[in-house]
Amino acid sequence: GNSVTQMEGPVTLSEEAFLTINCTYTATGYPSLFWYVQYPGEGLQLLLKATKADDKGSNKGFEATYRKETTSFHLEKGSVQVSDSAVYFCALKGVRYSGGGADGLTFGKGTHLIIQP
Amino acid sequence: NAGVTQTPKFQVLKTGQSMTLQCAQDMNHEYMSWYRQDPGMGLRLIHYSVGAGITDQGEVPNGYNVSRSTTEDFPLRLLSAAPSQTSVYFCASSYSPGAGANVLTFGAGSRLTVL
Repeated sequence: GNSVTQMEGPVTLSEEAFLTINCTYTATGYPSLFWYVQYPGEGLQLLLKATKADDKGSNKGFEATYRKETTSFHLEKGSVQVSDSAVYFCALKGVRYSGGGADGLTFGKGTHLIIQP
Repeated sequence: NAGVTQTPKFQVLKTGQSMTLQCAQDMNHEYMSWYRQDPGMGLRLIHYSVGAGITDQGEVPNGYNVSRSTTEDFPLRLLSAAPSQTSVYFCASSYSPGAGANVLTFGAGSRLTVL
């Protein structure tokens, strides 16, 4: 079945540091890939997505590139801010509906990011 | 535009009690789902619905019931609460199930504690 593996953290960085959160996946065919973010006390919201190999999703200074050859979708940001402190979830929507209901969405366990001033 | 609204935000139950978590969306989304979020486990799908009158089980359905009598509402019922059901519950919806890179819209969550 489909699965998503990501570093769990917590990841603690200083403000203006470079961020990478690794995400790798297992899926058949060509899944769509997502990063969701959960700020304290809130629900998840979409951060960015990519639907095919070599696509780059970007939003709010975050980027992730769909790498089919390494089955990865690592999240990066050049200079983090305290306001980026949150839990980040990598997710995939598979071609086959495996473990995610009809919408086929499978989540990683989440990475807790803490940015210190 | 309210999006996805969940009530209550917090609830404390005793073992064996029953309750219903409410979820409503005003976006005319066909697909609705319930997830639970536990530390170190990420999000796990409980039940989902692809339209009014149609529901199905997700990864962890035991102890929960759902129904979908209208497009807007998708309540989650705990029949006899157990401490293992202590969790944060999220309702999520999307426009059309299985439609490409469909984006889920999440509610703010309901934190349930079972003593």
